Amino acid sequence: KNQVEQSPQSLIILEGKNCTLQCNYTVSPFSNLRWYKQDTGRGPVSLTIMTFSENTKSNGRYTATLDADTKQSSLHITASQLSDSASYICVVSVKNNNDMRFGAGTRLTVKP
Amino acid sequence: DAGVIQSPRHEVTEMGQEVTLRCKPISGHDYLFWYRQTMMRGLELLIYFNNNVPIDDSGMPEDRFSAKMPNASFSTLKIQPSEPRDSAVYFCASSLWAKETQYFGPGTRLLVL
Repeated sequence: KNQVEQSPQSLIILEGKNCTLQCNYTVSPFSNLRWYKQDTGRGPVSLTIMTFSENTKSNGRYTATLDADTKQSSLHITASQLSDSASYICVVSVKNNNDMRFGAGTRLTVKP
Repeated sequence: DAGVIQSPRHEVTEMGQEVTLRCKPISGHDYLFWYRQTMMRGLELLIYFNNNVPIDDSGMPEDRFSAKMPNASFSTLKIQPSEPRDSAVYFCASSLWAKETQYFGPGTRLLVL
């Protein structure tokens, strides 16, 4: 069983709408959690990195939250744009080493 | 800065051939990572280096895979002999420190026939 589960697997929304992507993990001990955006045919681009003590981190219209107690994170996208269409990958790092666990990603499609 | 540079961008080869993928990290970054991405398995970390030294290669699938970093500005990932199941997109990424933002290259799309 993957230690990082993302949901939904795919999502279609209309331009201008908000959406929230979920990431649940069982990785322990926890070091940090990253959200990446990956456009088709491109490498992943880092959106946010959060450590244990951080609850919220924003990057423009992207806001990530972290609940280390329940081991859940979410990525909220506000006022979506067509350029937000991409895969969003959640990655959780293990403390004291650089071992990383990857989610399978959520494929977001924003339609006009 | 040009970002992380990878070459070639595309590679098509026949089973049994040797494949060499190349990466130039961002100048000044002490960490370099090699990843593989497939539809079935998603993104996987293969190996990473710190100051040119391999730190963790537990993700390297088997002995056919090898990686080197002879200097701070160059790394290679070699597959010998290649097999069809090695077909994937291989990414290189670099970062200042292990826990900092990783910057990915554009990837090498490998197809082994």
